[in-house]
Amino acid sequence: AQTVTQSQPEMSVQEAETVTLSCTYDTSESNYYLFWYKQPPSRQMILVIRQEAYKQQNATENRFSVNFQKAAKSFSLKISDSQLGDTAMYFCAFGNNAGNMLTFGGGTRLMVKP
Amino acid sequence: DAGVIQSPRHEVTEMGQEVTLRCKPISGHNSLFWYRQTMMRGLELLIYFNNNVPIDDSGMPEDRFSAKMPNASFSTLKIQPSEPRDSAVYFCASSPGLESPLHFGNGTRLTVT
Repeated sequence: AQTVTQSQPEMSVQEAETVTLSCTYDTSESNYYLFWYKQPPSRQMILVIRQEAYKQQNATENRFSVNFQKAAKSFSLKISDSQLGDTAMYFCAFGNNAGNMLTFGGGTRLMVKP
Repeated sequence: DAGVIQSPRHEVTEMGQEVTLRCKPISGHNSLFWYRQTMMRGLELLIYFNNNVPIDDSGMPEDRFSAKMPNASFSTLKIQPSEPRDSAVYFCASSPGLESPLHFGNGTRLTVT
């Protein structure tokens, strides 16, 4: 069974600054997917970014990028130029080789301060 | 595209009552998932369907929980009888295929008193 660990229950960042959220996982599989989801107060789960384990290049989506270290089983999310709308819970998730049977971490609550 | 539609958005019921949560996946998506979110256990996969067929229900907590997908555009999650520990947010999600990202609905917040 896979496990996903987010060691930072809460974080805060000043608007326009950069913040990095940590995630580690444990698996014996060689092919898998990793995701970051955002859950704002509206409760909706929004996909932020997705990484295929077989790709060495780190995924990037606008202000969001990841640092994927496969050997270390680490998958951190960097948010650049933080905006007030980035305030939310962020969940790291592991998907098996089919991609979307997800195991979620416990979440990190991010507060962006003006 | 209206996204994944769940109803009701909120449900309050008394212990022992039957509760039915509903989900309409995105048209053309053939995989559907039910997740439960609680403070104590986080997000847990309950069951998933592929082409309307239940593939893995190992996450369903006990026999009081059942899920059906009678057609490609509708799924239900039923709890009978409900208990206070079932209080949680229940999410439905769909995807076009097993290797595609999930699209989540807005969830149903269930409170069992």
